[in-house]
Amino acid sequence: QITLKESGPTLVGPRETLTLTCNVSGFSLSTSGMGVAWIRQPPGKALEWLALIYWNDDKRYSPSLEKRLTITKDTPKNQVVLRMTDMGPVDTGKYFCVHNVVGAGGGWFDPWGPGSLVTVSP
Amino acid sequence: SYDLTQSPSVSVSPGQTSIIDCSGHKLGDKYVSWFQQRPGQSPVLVIYQDNKRPLGIPERFSGSNSGNTATLTISGTQATDEADYYCQSWDNRLAVFGGGTKLTVL
Repeated sequence: QITLKESGPTLVGPRETLTLTCNVSGFSLSTSGMGVAWIRQPPGKALEWLALIYWNDDKRYSPSLEKRLTITKDTPKNQVVLRMTDMGPVDTGKYFCVHNVVGAGGGWFDPWGPGSLVTVSP
Repeated sequence: SYDLTQSPSVSVSPGQTSIIDCSGHKLGDKYVSWFQQRPGQSPVLVIYQDNKRPLGIPERFSGSNSGNTATLTISGTQATDEADYYCQSWDNRLAVFGGGTKLTVL
């Protein structure tokens, strides 16, 4: 059974850097055809894809946030880390870590972690 | 950037068929996934690759995709189906989500 769980600060200050960690189990981050994505959701708003890292360390970023994002993985630790710089109030929301099965056309996202709520405030 | 458009809300009576659309330029040339998100919960995949159902998803959930529109159909809608539904696709290996549709079961 594949599970993912996010961890990180619940409160960050303006202009600070957010670091979130996703601990995965039930699969290896080096398994061919697998990836892990970060997706966020501001309160009451829609889902927004942020970044994706594949088993072969290939990475993809949302064009609108690419300059602020870094996604990395530590395979022995079964962890994927997302860093987002220059945080602002609009970045407040729940951040989900999600398993990606690579398939034709991009694949699909399943399952999702419970999410980590991040608030940006002085 | 590639955009996916969804109607903000759909309302149906229990037992009726729910139809939720997602539109995008030449969307039929891409694969679409659908997610159900109940209040306070994480999204759950209900359809992938246009029309495939993951294990554990009821048969009343089905999907189609052609032209510029993908459709999620829920036959015999139940009260438990009340949730937000999001479509998702890919543009040059970058993921894109629709704005979501709130399904209300009256």
